[in-house]
Amino acid sequence: EAGVVQSPRYKIIEKKQPVAFWCNPISGHNTLYWYLQNLGQGPELLIRYENEEAVDDSQLPKDRFSAERLKGVDSTLKIQPAELGDSAVYLCASSLDFTGARTGELFFGEGSRLTVL
Amino acid sequence: GDSVTQMEGPVTLSEEAFLTINCTYTATGYPSLFWYVQYPGEGLQLLLKATKADDKGSNKGFEATYRKETTSFHLEKGSVQVSDSAVYFCALGSKTSYDKVIFGPGTSLSVIP
Repeated sequence: EAGVVQSPRYKIIEKKQPVAFWCNPISGHNTLYWYLQNLGQGPELLIRYENEEAVDDSQLPKDRFSAERLKGVDSTLKIQPAELGDSAVYLCASSLDFTGARTGELFFGEGSRLTVL
Repeated sequence: GDSVTQMEGPVTLSEEAFLTINCTYTATGYPSLFWYVQYPGEGLQLLLKATKADDKGSNKGFEATYRKETTSFHLEKGSVQVSDSAVYFCALGSKTSYDKVIFGPGTSLSVIP
């Protein structure tokens, strides 16, 4: 069974440029998460989707970040414009349903590493 | 708010040494507790879990016990191998307004032959 797929793996851009990350969750997983991982720190939740609905986006900086999950499958996370402080790894994870936080059954992709120059 | 603290790394051990990585948490109510592992070049994966007080999670020779009295969930392994070299994250399943997993900062472990 294929795992969570993310692309691109690496992205280098100049500040003020836009960037987008794509995530394909495990087939049948209704819940999708985007996490931000700064160097030397643990992942921090940006947004969680239940199917197409964003049910927790309280930590998403909405002035420059946006996300969508059309048709409740793939998801895209966008930053526009990017700032130097956005350099980090952006992780996507999926779980069968909302109980992922109680069971710990979150499945992570390998992440997209962003460098903003 | 809910949070997780774990011992700072990096930790370097010789093969077959005993491993302990300390983890403590602050949370409302009684969260589920997890250890995740991230091997080089791979995504995070769940290593073990415990969902209530005094539960012991175990997997691949690793163990951790949910201690409500000390709000701790320390990770242990009796004899580490080179293949255990990875970053280990303690985490909790928060039961505040939105269910979510909150991670500690991670502890890097290197095991040398």
